[in-house]
Amino acid sequence: DGGITQSPKYLFRKEGQNVTLSCEQNLNHDAMYWYRQDPGQGLRLIYYSQIVNDFQKGDIAEGYSVSREKKESFPLTVTSAQKNPTAFYLCASSMGTSKTQYFGPGTRLLVL
Amino acid sequence: GQQLNQSPQSMFIQEGEDVSMNCTSSSIFNTWLWYKQDPGEGPVLLIALYKAGELTSNGRLTAQFGITRKDSFLNISASIPSDVGIYFCAGAFTGTASKLTFGTGTRLQVTL
Repeated sequence: DGGITQSPKYLFRKEGQNVTLSCEQNLNHDAMYWYRQDPGQGLRLIYYSQIVNDFQKGDIAEGYSVSREKKESFPLTVTSAQKNPTAFYLCASSMGTSKTQYFGPGTRLLVL
Repeated sequence: GQQLNQSPQSMFIQEGEDVSMNCTSSSIFNTWLWYKQDPGEGPVLLIALYKAGELTSNGRLTAQFGITRKDSFLNISASIPSDVGIYFCAGAFTGTASKLTFGTGTRLQVTL
């Protein structure tokens, strides 16, 4: 089945630790996105990539980093510089210049 | 970053009732999307709208692209318990690299 997978479903981070969230898609989509969602709020864009080896900051990029070495994969690293990392992280993808984005199931990150 | 205003923020309705919600923006969009999110899951695309005045249905759901390009509406007819969730609107401009702006969400609860 075609779709977007995110792993793990739940992730725990200790203070001062970097963690990486995985996002893979087999939809042959060109563009991929990372969003953060806090309780009771909408989605805020962290980073996006329209093509392999290129990515741009979104509205809340501080404390996060990404890479896009393969079309299918867009991992997000939550660094120790992100002081409030506890949130629900969503990955999405879209085809070419289409505005229609499709989402993965999400990863919930908790700080111990 | 900008967020769209969705109304109402939450609604509590009885099974079988019709539901209406809307989304407004201070800026013009040329794409409107409606998503539904279940607790702990990623948003699922319900309807995509690409032309001002467009009216599109998906089963019991009907969405309209406002003629001013600054608003959109979603109606659910004959609600059922599985309609429970959070409904998000999202808008996009041409030339903004496929970036979406999301609404704040409408939480729908359905009672028997």
